[in-house]
Amino acid sequence: DAKTTQPNSMESNEEEPVHLPCNHSTISGTDYIHWYRQLPSQGPEYVIHGLTSNVNNRMASLAIAEDRKSSTLILHRATLRDAAVYYCILSPDYGQNFVFGPGTRLSVLP
Amino acid sequence: DVKVTQSSRYLVKRTGEKVFLECVQDMDHENMFWYRQDPGLGLRLIYFSYDVKMKEKGDIPEGYSVSREKKERFSLILESASTNQTSMYLCATTDSRSTNEKLFFGSGTQLSVL
Repeated sequence: DAKTTQPNSMESNEEEPVHLPCNHSTISGTDYIHWYRQLPSQGPEYVIHGLTSNVNNRMASLAIAEDRKSSTLILHRATLRDAAVYYCILSPDYGQNFVFGPGTRLSVLP
Repeated sequence: DVKVTQSSRYLVKRTGEKVFLECVQDMDHENMFWYRQDPGLGLRLIYFSYDVKMKEKGDIPEGYSVSREKKERFSLILESASTNQTSMYLCATTDSRSTNEKLFFGSGTQLSVL
């Protein structure tokens, strides 16, 4: 399974943008890039996913590099409620095999 | 929104007990998953099921079994609980009718085996 690499932790100030990077140099042509986050004492929740083009939704934006070997999750204006562990994972189009790594723990400072 | 409900938030059991963890979903999804989450190890897939009475082993099935008698319910069974099965257990679902559909998780069950 293709693997992803994320920083262990990041810090941001409240109301500032946050860019969470993810490297996936062994991504295959049919792998989708998914992002989930896990708030304290909860199960992970879906944030966003994409294949080749940049994606936006009400929670975040996903910027995918042209060669697809990296991607960035963008939170446009961090709030204290965005403090969580963020997981970047790859999912093949034909299957349901989601492999979670340790993720990035995001701290948001008031 | 999809609701994935796990029967217990916290559970304490003794070594050797048989333990049932229940998961129920309300959105008619075909695929259901059981993960365990341990500090520093991320989420690891135990078993998954893509239809009633169907099951597939994940990455760490040893010591566990599953049951899917109805579409909405997926049970994880620890035949004889051991202390190394103390962990957070997470149930999830996806809808296979859509390609590359997202995962929906329950809130988790924190199991302690003494």
